Amino acid sequence: KAGVTQTPRYLIKTRGQQVTLSCSPISGHRSVSWYQQTPGQGLQFLFEYFSETQRNKGNFPGRFSGRQFSNSRSEMNVSTLELGDSALYLCASSFGGNENIQYFGAGTRLSVL
Amino acid sequence: QKEVEQNSGPLSVPEGAIASLNCTYSDRVSQSFFWYRQYSGKSPELIMSIYSNGDKEDGRFTAQLNKASQYVSLLIRDSQPSDSATYLCAVIGGGSEKLVFGKGTKLTVNP
Repeated sequence: KAGVTQTPRYLIKTRGQQVTLSCSPISGHRSVSWYQQTPGQGLQFLFEYFSETQRNKGNFPGRFSGRQFSNSRSEMNVSTLELGDSALYLCASSFGGNENIQYFGAGTRLSVL
Repeated sequence: QKEVEQNSGPLSVPEGAIASLNCTYSDRVSQSFFWYRQYSGKSPELIMSIYSNGDKEDGRFTAQLNKASQYVSLLIRDSQPSDSATYLCAVIGGGSEKLVFGKGTKLTVNP
């Protein structure tokens, strides 16, 4: 059974640009969550999608957005990139049930120059 | 603000010893508790999940939960150099998919 797949693995962008990251969940999982990991702040929750609807949202500015498609694949977009957006972006998928075990993809390493 | 606190470490133990990792959380309605292991440059990998008070054992790993004290711990018996990683405690509140992570404890197991 394939795990969570994130593409691309690495990205280099310049300030002001926008970026789109992709996440394919484990087959059968309907919930996809996105996290940002930086050395200073650790792992922080961005948002969670379930059946194409955003169900939870973290404390990030509106430049960070996402969506989920009918096949549960999800994309995350960051507009007007800032230097501080440089981070590892992790996607996690789960069935979305009560026990809610989340499995992480390998992540996308974003560098903003 | 829901918080998860972990002993900052780093924690260093000799091979074969027991490593003890601790975590406290602030949200009393938290329902689900997880320990993830993260090797340098890799993504978090689930080690244990625990949902009710008491101990849960899986091989060399034992998770302990005390909801009254809002405390979760992870014991690693017979520690191996391959256990050297950062261990992340994560908590989910009632009815939410939002995982709140601690900052992690870096464990080094010395041969």
